[in-house]
Amino acid sequence: QVQLQESGPGLVKPSETLSLTCSVSGGSISSFYWSWIRQPPGKPLEWIAYIYHDGSTNSNPSLKSRVTMAVDTSKNQFSLQLTSVTAADTALYYCARGEVGAKSWYFDVWGRGTLVSVSS
Amino acid sequence: SNELTQPPSVSVSPGQTASITCSGDRLASSYVSWYQRRPGQSHMLIIYHDSRRPSGIPERFSGSKSGNSASLTISETQTMDEADYYCQAWDRSTIVVFGGGTKLTV
Repeated sequence: QVQLQESGPGLVKPSETLSLTCSVSGGSISSFYWSWIRQPPGKPLEWIAYIYHDGSTNSNPSLKSRVTMAVDTSKNQFSLQLTSVTAADTALYYCARGEVGAKSWYFDVWGRGTLVSVSS
Repeated sequence: SNELTQPPSVSVSPGQTASITCSGDRLASSYVSWYQRRPGQSHMLIIYHDSRRPSGIPERFSGSKSGNSASLTISETQTMDEADYYCQAWDRSTIVVFGGGTKLTV
């Protein structure tokens, strides 16, 4: 059974870079599309970006200029970097495994989420 | 702004049928998925491709879609079904879009 675990600092200062890692256990990171999703307090879920095991990526246009993702197949991990953070980036951050098809995208495995607060 | 619209809350008595709606222009050209998140737990995929159930999801969870509107129906609702439910679709520009979520009270 595949499990995902997010890790990273719970507090980031404004204008700095948020860095998170998702560790995949119980299965290989090869194949599938691996995503980051967040939920600010009181707001809906927002998809951030995905990375494929070959390193190809895509991100939400609203965050594209600030987002970088990377994959480390040797460690079965993928990561997120979000630059120039502000208080608006305070959220629960989730990593998830995506299944992709024609006009179809869904997430069949999710991590429990990690809270990241942006504050000085 | 939410591009998929869900009611903020739905209440149902145990044993009755609960229905949660999701509407938006994207639905006409995309499959819909539904997720359940119980307090303290990870999100769980309960419906994909509009109406398909992953292995292990009880038959009392069902999904449907017509045009720009989709529904999640939970028959014979149990107290363990009390959770937040989210719809999600594919979008040509943003790739993935979520509904605002519905809190189901049993």
